[in-house]
Amino acid sequence: DTAVSQTPKYLVTQMGNDKSIKCEQNLGHDTMYWYKQDSKKFLKIMFSYNNKELIINETVPNRFSPKSPDKAHLNLHINSLELGDSAVYFCASRQRGSYNEQFFGPGTRLTVL
Amino acid sequence: GENVEQHPSTLSVQEGDSAVIKCTYSDSASNYFPWYKQELGKRPQLIIDIRSNVGEKKDQRIAVTLNKTAKHFSLHITETQPEDSAVYFCAARMNSGYSTLTFGKGTMLLVSP
Repeated sequence: DTAVSQTPKYLVTQMGNDKSIKCEQNLGHDTMYWYKQDSKKFLKIMFSYNNKELIINETVPNRFSPKSPDKAHLNLHINSLELGDSAVYFCASRQRGSYNEQFFGPGTRLTVL
Repeated sequence: GENVEQHPSTLSVQEGDSAVIKCTYSDSASNYFPWYKQELGKRPQLIIDIRSNVGEKKDQRIAVTLNKTAKHFSLHITETQPEDSAVYFCAARMNSGYSTLTFGKGTMLLVSP
């Protein structure tokens, strides 16, 4: 019954590795996002997708590559992981339009050793 | 682009006291202002929102006020309880195009019994 889901919940990996995080929403929304939340709790938007099309890329290094196979899924692939990539990554979705609520996924805690 | 400032960064109150968190925004075109609560280890969840054509909105113990002229909005929690302890985020967004939420940096609220 989960509205926005992410896998995995925890990800521990070595520097230089490549990893992916998956996100799915069953709300029928047309817009999905990836956010990064660092240790200071700041929520920084990374990407925005609408109907599978990239809308916003907030100057994220090109080691991060989002992919949206359909409008219910937005995955995040990270190449050559660095220590500074350690954070909690949240997926979110909403229906584009006036005042519609944005829902967050449960988050993926990524630790790069 | 939009810039949202949030104060204070931490707030400690005794159970039963009131708590007030304040935010300012820079873009006069913003017209939607949600507040999210994030408990430790959990996802941000919407607790209340306000639209620019409304000056105040209340839901049980929480209320939000908006001053469009001054470009600031505030969250008021009355009769605080220990379960109100969390990080609270304000945000602002235009409801046009593909605009996204711009978040404040968060306020950690600690309610002591």
